[in-house]
This record gives sequence, C-alpha cells and structure tokens, in this order.
Amino acid sequence: QQQVRQSPQSLTVWEGETAILNCSYEDSTFDYFPWYRLFPGESPALLIAIRPVSNKKEDGRFTIFFNKREKKLSLHITDSQPGDSATYFCAAHGGSGNKLIFGTGTLLSVKP
Amino acid sequence: DPKIIQKPKYLVAVTGSEKILICEQYLGHNAMYWYRQSAKKPLEFMFSYSYQKLMDNQTASSRFQPQSSKKNHLDLQITALKPDDSATYFCASSQTNQAPLFGEGTRLSVL
Repeated sequence: QQQVRQSPQSLTVWEGETAILNCSYEDSTFDYFPWYRLFPGESPALLIAIRPVSNKKEDGRFTIFFNKREKKLSLHITDSQPGDSATYFCAAHGGSGNKLIFGTGTLLSVKP
Repeated sequence: DPKIIQKPKYLVAVTGSEKILICEQYLGHNAMYWYRQSAKKPLEFMFSYSYQKLMDNQTASSRFQPQSSKKNHLDLQITALKPDDSATYFCASSQTNQAPLFGEGTRLSVL
C-alpha cells in the first residue's frame, strides 16, 4: 500500500514555465512534509518542507501549497530552469519511529 | 566536507556473502536512518534509530541488521546477499522530527 502518492510520474515543461508537482497522502497523523530533489548519481537533497499548520510555504522559486482537508499538497517551481531537471520526491513524516515515507517521485525535465 | 560519511561508495559482492555498510554522521543528530533506492522502489525506508535505539523497522528480511556502536554511527550488516539486494543504500540523519539529511550512498552490486 502506497501511503504517499505523486503525480505525474514524469513532467516536461519549457524553460521559464511553472512546473506543478502533486502529492497526496492517506495517514492524517503525518505531521511534516519535506520535498527532496534527486539528481542521477547523487543523494536526495532537502528542498523545502511544510507542516500542516500552514497552507503555504515559499522559498525562492519553490512554493508548497498544502490542503489538509483533502490531504493533498503540491510543489510549484516557477521560472523553471534546465538545471531543475531531476526527480522530485514528496515525503511524509509521522507515526511511531520517526520514519519518513517517500512517494514514488516525479521526473521533471525542463527544456531550454 | 561531507557531514554524513558512508563507506564504501561502491561495493561488489558475490551471492551468499556478507557485507557491512558503514555510516557516520558529524552533525550532532540524535536520529539515524537507512533507506534503499532501486529500480523497483525509488526510496524505500528501512530502519530508524533514535539515541542508538531501534525505533522502526520496515525491512521484512532478518538478513538486514543495523548496528549502532556509537551515537553517531549506524552501520548496516547484510548477510546471505542476493542479486535482488543490488541497490543504492542511503544513510541519513536528523534531529528528532526534522527532515533527514542524506549521505552520498553506497552502491551495492550483487553478482
């Protein structure tokens, strides 16, 4: 059972456009939602994170929109650059054991 | 300088052998984790430790055994290796209830 779902599986946008990556979850006890970016051959890097007390978190070109009632969140990347091309993972933290559950990822390609 | 050190970076093993993956963190974090990345599952949670105590275990096989000899160490022993164990194994650490930071990974190939 996949507790954290992401869509689309892959996304292609043109340079300068806004990329929208979606994430949904099932467990209402999740209390922290970080997003990670993974370049091939590298380790996951923390991008931005949000807690359910907020419905929006912004950091530069990256913005998380959070809908607690629908258990959905999205990552918006404005003014996308070719260097943003990577796999983006939504994750959810909570429950016993302090574990972080990852979604299946969205492969983003930004064309120049 | 990397603050989460994983050794080795690359590892080739034969089926049936045993290997230990090393992880040390110098961030002063009290929680450490192991994750696995393979073609089948992008980032799969394996274990979490807090103050050297096992908090959560999502790995069905007892062939995977974490070992914490010091607060900032969490090694992963894998016995009776199988080709399906081929993956990149990431160690991570955090303060409690914070997003983990990841090491550079150990890429394991089992022949």
